Amino acid sequence: DAMVIQNPRYQVTQFGKPVTLSCSQTLNHNVMYWYQQKSSQAPKLLFHYYDKDFNNEADTPDNFQSRRPNTSFCFLDIRSPGLGDAAMYLCATSRALGKGTDTQYFGPGTRLTVL
Amino acid sequence: AQSVTQLGSHVSVSEGALVLLRCNYSSSVPPYLFWYVQYPNQGLQLLLKYTSAATLVKGINGFEAEFKKSETSFHLTKPSAHMSDAAEYFCAVSPTGTASKLTFGTGTRLQVTL
Repeated sequence: DAMVIQNPRYQVTQFGKPVTLSCSQTLNHNVMYWYQQKSSQAPKLLFHYYDKDFNNEADTPDNFQSRRPNTSFCFLDIRSPGLGDAAMYLCATSRALGKGTDTQYFGPGTRLTVL
Repeated sequence: AQSVTQLGSHVSVSEGALVLLRCNYSSSVPPYLFWYVQYPNQGLQLLLKYTSAATLVKGINGFEAEFKKSETSFHLTKPSAHMSDAAEYFCAVSPTGTASKLTFGTGTRLQVTL
């Protein structure tokens, strides 16, 4: 089945130790998104890629970076995780940009714990 | 900026009872509206979406929502709750005619009791 896959599902890191979260998709979608969802809160968009075009949300901290080496994969890098970065990180894809009706397909998420 | 407000962070219903989860949007023009469901430790799954066609939208798992412009609402309903409906439900808005960027409401946790 076509899907959005996130690895690992659970990640533990230490304060200040860089960590990378992975997302892959078999949908061949042009757009990939990263959301941060803190406990009992709504998902918050960090950034998205349209093909190789990177679009950062204005309030996304510089500590968060992303890479998209090809259509299928997208990575979220947290350069120096703080305790406040503990959250569920959700990856999503959509077929196109510019159409508000496009459905976003979400992966299962990676729960990040910062010790 | 467009936003959605979900009234009630927790809703509890008995199995077999009507489910009503409220969502109001703020926008000068009707946006695109979505309902997503999130089960514990899982990603979000689309239940249904409004894209300016029919105002009554039917989704998966027996859910439906009605777009009411006069009330700026897009409430989610299900005639008869099932235990498996217990989850977190998010209403989301996407601007009309622009990027597929979603802004989510704060969510409503649905509890279903016997």
